[in-house]
Amino acid sequence: EDQVTQSPEALRLQEGESSSLNCSYTVSGLRGLFWYRQDPGKGPEFLFTLYSAGEEKEKERLKATLTKKESFLHITAPKPEDSATYLCAVQAVPLPNDYKLSFGAGTTVTVRA
Amino acid sequence: NAGVTQTPKFQVLKTGQSMTLQCAQDMNHNSMYWYRQDPGMGLRLIYYSASEGTTDKGEVPNGYNVSRLNKREFSLRLESAAPSQTSVYFCASRGTARVVEKLFFGSGTQLSVL
Repeated sequence: EDQVTQSPEALRLQEGESSSLNCSYTVSGLRGLFWYRQDPGKGPEFLFTLYSAGEEKEKERLKATLTKKESFLHITAPKPEDSATYLCAVQAVPLPNDYKLSFGAGTTVTVRA
Repeated sequence: NAGVTQTPKFQVLKTGQSMTLQCAQDMNHNSMYWYRQDPGMGLRLIYYSASEGTTDKGEVPNGYNVSRLNKREFSLRLESAAPSQTSVYFCASRGTARVVEKLFFGSGTQLSVL
């Protein structure tokens, strides 16, 4: 059965203190891995799609990387506005008429000024 | 641009009551989805509609029904609400099923069943 595990559950950072979030997955036939950002009381917002091992994507202070077993979201010199819950999702398992997207439980990042 | 619009934003029900959550998207997307989000768990798929005219069960369909009213609208119905259905519900859409494509989410409905 497909599994997506995110760690740590929560991360408290000082402004400017770089860190990484982990998303490990167990699926066969990965078609794509997604990172989303979710602010309190709002729906998830898309950040990145990674398709194959070795791929990297960057956006401002965020950089996502992918290996065959896990993905990392690196936050470089974070600011308080980077505080959010970051969700990882993998698309792999065929469903009738679609492919299943399996989500991790998320990592809640708090950045203090 | 509105994107994906969900109503209501909050709802409190008593056990056994019924209600319908509404969802509409204005992006001309073919595929629409209903998820629930519970603390400590990832988003779980309740039902989805890969295209207008089709609906399929997801991971946790028991206690729910859906209607794809037209290409824009996808509603979720709780026929007899139970406390286990207390959750935050998200509607999402994307252009096409069976491709690797990002989802666009609504802002959610926080439902409490007493």
